[in-house]
Amino acid sequence: EDQVTQSPEALRLQEGESSSLNCSYTVSGLRGLFWYRQDPGKGPEFLFTLYSAGEEKEKERLKATLTKKESFLHITAPKPEDSATYLCAVRTHNNNDMRFGAGTRLTVKP
Amino acid sequence: DADVTQTPRNRITKTGKRIMLECSQTKGHDRMYWYRQDPGLGLQLIYYSFDVKDINKGEISDGYSVSRQAQAKFSLSLESAIPNQTALYFCATSDYRDTDTQYFGPGTRLTVL
Repeated sequence: EDQVTQSPEALRLQEGESSSLNCSYTVSGLRGLFWYRQDPGKGPEFLFTLYSAGEEKEKERLKATLTKKESFLHITAPKPEDSATYLCAVRTHNNNDMRFGAGTRLTVKP
Repeated sequence: DADVTQTPRNRITKTGKRIMLECSQTKGHDRMYWYRQDPGLGLQLIYYSFDVKDINKGEISDGYSVSRQAQAKFSLSLESAIPNQTALYFCATSDYRDTDTQYFGPGTRLTVL
C-alpha cells in the first residue's frame, strides 16, 4: 500500500535558524511528489512539484529536493511568516489519487 | 474574490441529518475534488470528477455522495451524518493541462453531534 510519512510532526525554530522537513514515501511507480503549505483556517497552497530523483525546486527561503525514497523541504533563515503546516503528497502512475502525509507543523519564533 | 469558494464555512448538525456541502470555482477548471482532513491524518480523497459526466470514488467514499451540477459546481452530501464524519472538508480544482497542481478552497468545518 502507498504510504507517505512526514517528520517531525512539529518543529520549532528561532528566526534565522535553518532546518529541513522530511517526507519519506513507499509507493509503486512514483509519478510526482508535491509540497503544499497550509495556514490555520485555510486550504493548502501549492508550493512545488518534483518528478524525478535529483530534482530540486526553490522558492524564496524554501528548497525542495527528491531522492528515490524521500523528499526534503529545506528552509533557509526562516522568518515568522514561514510558520505553517507543510504537507507532502505523492501521486503514482497507477491511479489518480494524490496521497497526503499528515504534515509538519512549523513554528518560527522571532 | 476567491477562486474556489465553499459553503457553509462552519456547520454543526446532529446524527442522522442530511447535510450538503457546496463548492464553486471561477478558475474554469474541469477537475474537482473533495477531501476530508482529520487531526494527525493527511488529507483523504472522498470523490473526484474530471468533468460534468464523470464521477469517481476516492479512498473513503462510503457514507458520502456527490453531484457535479455544472463545470463550476461540485457538491458533497452526507445522507445520514454520523459523529465520525466530524472533520474539515476541502474542495479542490485542477486543470487538465496541469493536473498535478490542485487549488484548494478555504474548507468547511463540520461537527456531527
